[in-house]
Amino acid sequence: QSVLTQPPSASGTPGQRVTISCFGSRFNIGSGIVNWYQHVPGAAPRLLINNDHQRPSGVPDRFSGSKSGTSASLAISGLQPEDEADYYCEAWDDSLNGPVFGGGTKLTVL
Amino acid sequence: QVQLVQSGAEMRKPGASVKVSCEASAFIFTDYFIHWVRQAPGQGLEWMGWITPNSGATHSAQKFQGRLTMTRDTSINTAYMELSGLTSDDTAIYYCARRWNKSFYSFDIWGQGALVTVSS
Repeated sequence: QSVLTQPPSASGTPGQRVTISCFGSRFNIGSGIVNWYQHVPGAAPRLLINNDHQRPSGVPDRFSGSKSGTSASLAISGLQPEDEADYYCEAWDDSLNGPVFGGGTKLTVL
Repeated sequence: QVQLVQSGAEMRKPGASVKVSCEASAFIFTDYFIHWVRQAPGQGLEWMGWITPNSGATHSAQKFQGRLTMTRDTSINTAYMELSGLTSDDTAIYYCARRWNKSFYSFDIWGQGALVTVSS
């Protein structure tokens, strides 16, 4: 059971907007930042959003992140077939002296 | 090119140990923490532990304490993860990833992963 809680699945049609939620606690999301990773099976995870809402170089602006209190969300607008992947939220947990991940959300583009 | 390159796939029998390497290139190895994260079949990402190459200090998730050994060789910019007492539950892809520091940072570079299969 993951420390951060995400829905196991999400879906949308091309062009739609989807959001993925991530719930934590005051020990992780509530006391630091949230990062999001995109993971296509067979490839290495890719940093998608860092510091709650910042996009690393090369990440399309269709991806956006937000945080409020002990929860965060990832939004993907203008959904494209290549967005089909697993998405993970992550935050540092001071009580564990290590990062914690959400269980992952499998995004299907219908 | 900034990258982490890991060793190849391994197969072990239950009870054995496995050692995976992670070689850093095009960045200052000792400036970062190197973390180990694994993904078992059908499961999510699971953090295992970190090593700071500068001092060699390590910290493991409680689940792996006593079984996980992380080391580094700064002369060749390589970190190692050794897991002992393997069971079939340890069958997974093992990733290394770099992180500048603890809170307020992220895993910005990942290795390509190393598949470890544990089977009799």
